[in-house]
Amino acid sequence: DTAVSQTPKYLVTQMGNDKSIKCEQNLGHDTMYWYKQDSKKFLKIMFSYNNKELIINETVPNRFSPKSPDKAHLNLHINSLELGDSAVYFCASSHLGRAPNYGYTFGSGTRLTVV
Amino acid sequence: DAKTTQPNSMESNEEEPVHLPCNHSTISGTDYIHWYRQLPSQGPEYVIHGLTSNVNNRMASLAIAEDRKSSTLILHRATLRDAAVYYCILRDVSGGGSNYKLTFGKGTLLTVNP
Repeated sequence: DTAVSQTPKYLVTQMGNDKSIKCEQNLGHDTMYWYKQDSKKFLKIMFSYNNKELIINETVPNRFSPKSPDKAHLNLHINSLELGDSAVYFCASSHLGRAPNYGYTFGSGTRLTVV
Repeated sequence: DAKTTQPNSMESNEEEPVHLPCNHSTISGTDYIHWYRQLPSQGPEYVIHGLTSNVNNRMASLAIAEDRKSSTLILHRATLRDAAVYYCILRDVSGGGSNYKLTFGKGTLLTVNP
């Protein structure tokens, strides 16, 4: 009964390929996020969806496209993968409406390696 | 986002208390102080949060200075499992959806010695 689950856990792919990472949460949260953690361990937010609506879109190449079919799922699709996309990607969820008294729950991450 | 300053690293011995400091001299009245930690090879994990008063939960205690310009996360008895990067984050929830994001800094790497 994992709260925020991401698949796959590891992804190795060649430059130029297109890949997707899936995220699902069973906490009943209304908001989901994608974060990227690079080799220097810096965590940066990429996107956020609230009830399937995009509310945060940081400066991310348009090769990255999030998709939220419903509020329990937020997938990340990456086109034309580049070496610099290698990182660990974390999905998270929270209750937007209950902020500030509500924490984020993170998934265990997807380690993407582009070769 | 208001900034926080934390030491890059700290060391502790197992079974001893640990006090992790955080400075946030530019904190505003609508900023909540959140702490997260990231264990090796895992996603960040919520620890505790507060606004003005000290807070306790099963994981830790949060002591907030009276002027709110600093705070301290207290682990009462460190265990090896507490070795992680600890992040102090200010979360301004005024102004709408984009302000609800968590912005992570570099955090403090806590090493716990057996």
